[in-house]
Amino acid sequence: AQSVTQLDSQVPVFEEAPVELRCNYSSSVSVYLFWYVQYPNQGLQLLLKYLSGSTLVKGINGFEAEFNKSQTSFHLRKPSVHISDTAEYFCAVSAVSGGYNKLIFGAGTRLAVHP
Amino acid sequence: AAGVIQSPRHLIKEKRETATLKCYPIPRHDTVYWYQQGPGQDPQFLISFYEKMQSDKGSIPDRFSAQQFSDYHSELNMSSLELGDSALYFCASSEKNYGYTFGSGTRLTVV
Repeated sequence: AQSVTQLDSQVPVFEEAPVELRCNYSSSVSVYLFWYVQYPNQGLQLLLKYLSGSTLVKGINGFEAEFNKSQTSFHLRKPSVHISDTAEYFCAVSAVSGGYNKLIFGAGTRLAVHP
Repeated sequence: AAGVIQSPRHLIKEKRETATLKCYPIPRHDTVYWYQQGPGQDPQFLISFYEKMQSDKGSIPDRFSAQQFSDYHSELNMSSLELGDSALYFCASSEKNYGYTFGSGTRLTVV
């Protein structure tokens, strides 16, 4: 079974500052890794995903994440945030093997960008 | 590009009533997943279907049932609704397990 831990429930940051949202996972098998963003009263939008290859993954809206297998982490970063980045961010994993596996989500991190 | 379509977007039901939520996956996606997201919570997996057969089951109450039809759309049926069933219900479809796309969700309010 897989599990995801998002270490910060809330991250306040000033506009144009850098931000890192932390995600650690646990799994006995290889996993694919995802970050989703959810704006208030909206659905889940994929920011980026790691399937294989380069451990640095670039996504939409200037976000990137780095897969670190030894530390079982997949932290999300943005060098300069905007007010519009205020949202809930979810890290998620799915098992590589076994075919069509469900996504397991972390508890989410609320990013609050202040002017 | 086509997305995952969920209907209705909003639904208000009274306790003990029945609700049916529909999901239309992306064409050629053969797996559908249902998730429940309570207020301030992360999405919790309910059930999934691969090629119209149930492929996995999560913490879905016995009062809930789901199926996937021959045209690949899926329905989540919820009976004897309780106040605690009020949540956002997401459907996602995927091509294998690395191409998940979520619908906009159905917000169910039980009063």
